[in-house]
Amino acid sequence: DGGITQSPKYLFRKEGQNVTLSCEQNLNHDAMYWYRQDPGQGLRLIYYSQIVNDFQKGDIAEGYSVSREKKESFPLTVTSAQKNPTAFYLCASSPLRGTGELFFGEGSRLTVL
Amino acid sequence: GENVEQHPSTLSVQEGDSAVIKCTYSDSASNYFPWYKQELGKGPQLIIDIRSNVGEKKDQRIAVTLNKTAKHFSLHITETQPEDSAVYFCAASRVIFGKGTRLHILP
Repeated sequence: DGGITQSPKYLFRKEGQNVTLSCEQNLNHDAMYWYRQDPGQGLRLIYYSQIVNDFQKGDIAEGYSVSREKKESFPLTVTSAQKNPTAFYLCASSPLRGTGELFFGEGSRLTVL
Repeated sequence: GENVEQHPSTLSVQEGDSAVIKCTYSDSASNYFPWYKQELGKGPQLIIDIRSNVGEKKDQRIAVTLNKTAKHFSLHITETQPEDSAVYFCAASRVIFGKGTRLHILP
């Protein structure tokens, strides 16, 4: 089955620790995205990548880092510099010359204790 | 950059009635306006979209209208059913989302 897989679904970490969220897609999509979702805040773009080894900051990139070493994978690291990391994180992908639709994973819920 | 405003944040309608959610956008160059539905604990899924060269698009019980002059677009759901209860997001410029509308369908 083609799709986007995010792992882990739930993650608990202590304050001050870095944590990496995984996002893998087998849709052969060029572009991948990371969003953060908080209650009442909608979806806010953290980082996006349109091609391997290249990525751009979104609206709320501070305290986050990404890599894009393979087309299929776009991991997100939430660093200790992120002041309020507890949130629901969504990964998405899209073909560069598609209809415009984003295909989302099922999300990862990070709780920092 | 693009800014998308979405209203209302919460909407409750009686089963069988219609629901309307509205969005406005700021960038007149935007030409793609999707609507996504997010069920509890899941990622959003596209339910309908419209491009700037079209004023209205329908798919069974859902429709989207676009007013490019006023820079606003709306989602219309008719004959609402319990499974329509979810959070709905509009977007412009493909990647900029509104804050979402939680739709409750009352029995």
